[in-house]
Amino acid sequence: EAGVAQSPRYKIIEKRQSVAFWCNPISGHATLYWYQQILGQGPKLLIQFQNNGVVDDSQLPKDRFSAERLKGVDSTLKIQPAKLEDSAVYLCASSLEPPTQKYFGPGTRLTVL
Amino acid sequence: GENVEQHPSTLSVQEGDSAVIKCTYSDSASNYFPWYKQELGKGPQLIIDIRSNVGEKKDQRIAVTLNKTAKHFSLHITETQPEDSAVYFCAAGGNDMRFGAGTRLTVKP
Repeated sequence: EAGVAQSPRYKIIEKRQSVAFWCNPISGHATLYWYQQILGQGPKLLIQFQNNGVVDDSQLPKDRFSAERLKGVDSTLKIQPAKLEDSAVYLCASSLEPPTQKYFGPGTRLTVL
Repeated sequence: GENVEQHPSTLSVQEGDSAVIKCTYSDSASNYFPWYKQELGKGPQLIIDIRSNVGEKKDQRIAVTLNKTAKHFSLHITETQPEDSAVYFCAAGGNDMRFGAGTRLTVKP
């Protein structure tokens, strides 16, 4: 079974620039999550999709972050404009339905200079 | 919402010894408690989980215990090996899952 795919794996940008991350969940998984993991901390949920609808985006900084999951499969997370404090690893995960086992992708390490 | 605290933040043990990591949670409605292992450069990987209707679960060298009354749960690793070295995260919740801050476990040969 193929795992959760993410790209790019690394991204370096300057503050105020824009960046987008892509996630392809495990086939058949209806629930998709985006997490932000700052160095030395646990993952923090940014947004949760059930199929292509948003279930929870209470911790998403909506003035600069946006996410979509068209057709209930792939998802993109965008930051515009980026700030220094956005430097983190952005993890995508998927599951059949909550609360069950989440499968995490390898993450995208973002550095904002 | 849920708040999860995890201790210790770092743990160093000798190969063959046991390691114990503890977490507490705040929301009595939480019903799912997974533990993840994260190696450098990789995403977290589930190693064991427990639901609120069970007090203990074991899988080979790994066990998890849950005390719902006290709102705490623990991970126990016996006969530790160098390849157990990683960062371990607990999490608690249901539809709304929150992670602990992590424990860096080092197993010295």
